[in-house]
Amino acid sequence: DADVTQTPRNRITKTGKRIMLECSQTKGHDRMYWYRQDPGLGLRLIYYSFDVKDINKGEISDGYSVSRQAQAKFSLSLESAIPNQTALYFCATSRDRFTDTQYFGPGTRLTVL
Amino acid sequence: SQQGEEDPQALSIQEGENATMNCSYKTSINNLQWYRQNSGRGLVHLILIRSNEREKHSGRLRVTLDTSKKSSSLLITASRAADTASYFCASQSNFGNEKLTFGTGTRLTIIP
Repeated sequence: DADVTQTPRNRITKTGKRIMLECSQTKGHDRMYWYRQDPGLGLRLIYYSFDVKDINKGEISDGYSVSRQAQAKFSLSLESAIPNQTALYFCATSRDRFTDTQYFGPGTRLTVL
Repeated sequence: SQQGEEDPQALSIQEGENATMNCSYKTSINNLQWYRQNSGRGLVHLILIRSNEREKHSGRLRVTLDTSKKSSSLLITASRAADTASYFCASQSNFGNEKLTFGTGTRLTIIP
């Protein structure tokens, strides 16, 4: 089984809808991240969490919110989806700051019409 | 904006040839990492080089780091069709900000 899973894998929604993307991990890592990927722009960090009580904004947090329900679960919400949030979304985990290799989920392809 | 910039944006070579990709970054770093992404899938970590290291090897991969030029290169030797993917560098700043900043990627195509 995959160490980092994301649901759903694909989602098409309409402008104004609230959407939740979920991430679960079995690696036992404290640190979790949400990124979005747009063509030609690489990955940009939306939110990150160093433990259940520590949640921080990344470089593009506007229009998004997150919830860290447990060490293993980190959810990303789009409160009112807009078309320019159409992107590929990735969740990632890492163990600690000194070995900051990140382990990525398979991604969620979100389309906002 | 992305701290890391890869060069070239796209590269096509014949199978068996070597592929070299370059990455530049803007601020001082703790480490720099390279990741591979197969089309539309998650990123996979390849190799990490720390700021006090100049070269590192892993199998057919060779990474160099020049902190004076704020640049790194990834060399893949004896390329295979399975190496076709996008490659991203990611830098970790040493200003107490421990997040990774990803570059824009190099799309590598290996021609059989």
